[in-house]
Amino acid sequence: DAEITQSPRHKITETGRQVTLACHQTWNHNNMFWYRQDLGHGLRLIHYSYGVQDTNKGEVSDGYSVSRSNTEDLPLTLESAASSQTSVYFCASSGQGENIQYFGAGTRLSVL
Amino acid sequence: AQSVTQLGSHVSVSEGALVLLRCNYSSSVPPYLFWYVQYPNQGLQLLLKYTSAATLVKGINGFEAEFKKSETSFHLTKPSAHMSDAAEYFCAVSDRGEKLTFGTGTRLTIIP
Repeated sequence: DAEITQSPRHKITETGRQVTLACHQTWNHNNMFWYRQDLGHGLRLIHYSYGVQDTNKGEVSDGYSVSRSNTEDLPLTLESAASSQTSVYFCASSGQGENIQYFGAGTRLSVL
Repeated sequence: AQSVTQLGSHVSVSEGALVLLRCNYSSSVPPYLFWYVQYPNQGLQLLLKYTSAATLVKGINGFEAEFKKSETSFHLTKPSAHMSDAAEYFCAVSDRGEKLTFGTGTRLTIIP
């Protein structure tokens, strides 16, 4: 069965370190999205991509970057982790022209 | 710009009672609307979606939602709550593009 997987599921890092969260989907979806989930804020969009070599900033993109070198993967990089980036991160994907997004199980990141 | 407001961050109902979770939207174009559910330590799963066909939309697990343009609402209901319905529920809106804007979520607790 097609799926979307995130790794690691849990990560603890120190302030100032670079961190990369992986997202891999086997749906062959063009669209991929990264969100962060925080109490009282719901899900907020960080970055998104509509295809290979395409990336776009969402509403909370400062301090984050993504790259899309193939259809299956959209890694999220925190260039210099900050305590404010402690959160649960979700990756999602959807087919072209389709609004339904399919979510991974999430990565819980703690920045100490 | 599109947005959703979920009224009530926490809702408690007795097992067997009616579940009503409220969502109001704002959109400059006829919207697509969604309800997602998140069980503990999991990603989001689609419950149902509205895409301008029937205004009453039936989803999984006995949930349904009614699109009311005059009230800009898309409330989620279930006639009889089960213990397994305890989760967090998110309303989301799309302007028919491929990005979703999520509400802040409503945590549903079922009282035995």
